[in-house]
Amino acid sequence: DQQVKQNSPSLSVQEGRISILNCDYTNSMFDYFLWYKKYPAEGPTFLISISSIKDKNEDGRFTVFLNKSAKHLSLHIVPSQPGDSAVYFCAAREGYDRGSTLGRLYFGRGTQLTVWP
Amino acid sequence: NAGVMQNPRHLVRRRGQEARLRCSPMKGHSHVYWYRQLPEEGLKFMVYLQKENIIDESGMPKERFSAEFPKEGPSILRIQQVVRGDSAAYFCASSGGVRSSYNEQFFGPGTRLTVL
Repeated sequence: DQQVKQNSPSLSVQEGRISILNCDYTNSMFDYFLWYKKYPAEGPTFLISISSIKDKNEDGRFTVFLNKSAKHLSLHIVPSQPGDSAVYFCAAREGYDRGSTLGRLYFGRGTQLTVWP
Repeated sequence: NAGVMQNPRHLVRRRGQEARLRCSPMKGHSHVYWYRQLPEEGLKFMVYLQKENIIDESGMPKERFSAEFPKEGPSILRIQQVVRGDSAAYFCASSGGVRSSYNEQFFGPGTRLTVL
């Protein structure tokens, strides 16, 4: 049962253009969302996150948008650079489960982003 | 400030042997999570531990798998009598440090287990 879905396994974008990576979720208990970037043979690296009380969070070239009514979030990278080529994972966490805010993350299957010169 | 450390990076075992994977969280972090990634899939949660306590093991297979996070030393994920289906990348993450956000989990480089 995939509660976090990334329906595009791959995305190819020219350098300098915008990359938009999408993520959908089904669990209405999710209250915190994260994006991770992963290179081959390495662990995921935290990129940016957003709480469910917000609809946008920005950090440099990276912006995450959250549409709670549609259960959809997206990551925008502007401008895209060749070094951004990696697998991007969307992840989500349920809120205040068992009295703890530090619960498990649910991951999508990832989107392979390729930025070409 | 050292990140999350995992060892070994690569582990080869024959069917029926035991595999032990180690994870040292980031300095100051007291919460450890283990995830498994099968080929072409996302990361799947296995277990969440604090020092000397298992908080959530709902993602852990009921048999052959165990995890601990002792008062001293690294967290250990132990797989007994490994089978070929256990071949995967196992990632450890930590969170909860005083100087870090409690929401983000920071990952180690992973241990790639191959069962022959």
